[in-house]
Amino acid sequence: DSGVTQTPKHLITATGQRVTLRCSPRSGDLSVYWYQQSLDQGLQFLIHYYNGEERAKGNILERFSAQQFPDLHSELNLSSLELGDSALYFCASSTTSGGLQETQYFGPGTRLLVL
Amino acid sequence: GDSVTQMEGPVTLSEEAFLTINCTYTATGYPSLFWYVQYPGEGLQLLLKATKADDKGSNKGFEATYRKETTSFHLEKGSVQVSDSAVYFCALRAAGYSTLTFGKGTMLLVSP
Repeated sequence: DSGVTQTPKHLITATGQRVTLRCSPRSGDLSVYWYQQSLDQGLQFLIHYYNGEERAKGNILERFSAQQFPDLHSELNLSSLELGDSALYFCASSTTSGGLQETQYFGPGTRLLVL
Repeated sequence: GDSVTQMEGPVTLSEEAFLTINCTYTATGYPSLFWYVQYPGEGLQLLLKATKADDKGSNKGFEATYRKETTSFHLEKGSVQVSDSAVYFCALRAAGYSTLTFGKGTMLLVSP
């Protein structure tokens, strides 16, 4: 158990809908990262927040947004969902903003299925 | 941009066989290198890491050495077990950046 929690575990929804994925980092960690794992694209970085502020953006679609709250949990919002958004979404956390030695600890993921 | 290339799987081995999973990378500067493992139905777990050239990361019998001259970080284990069956991901974090770039993953299947 990494100490990172994600809810829900599974999510089934329809095209055009909007969903929110939630992540609680390990106690004391200030950084939260979101990744998407799909069969065709593999594991791709989406976005990084550090202590409430956006630090880096990867291949995140405009339909997707995220935020990190004062209690350091984070939410990833996916809107106008398409079939191709079906994937496993991972959250990871780390202590600071990503030093060379730092380890990212991953949650169990949320499996999203868009029908 | 930065990238990681792993050998394609699945890699199928018998118990107690020797394992090598190849990983090469392209990055500017001197990245940190990682191996993560994903067991069925679970998230990614850090297996080992190395942060500078010639460093050897090791954990649970797995080893990998950071080779700057060949830009490689191959994963090895002397004697695999059935419980090692999983997907293994090689990843890098470029110097000055916080995010990880992953390879496509290599599935390992170990039979008794």
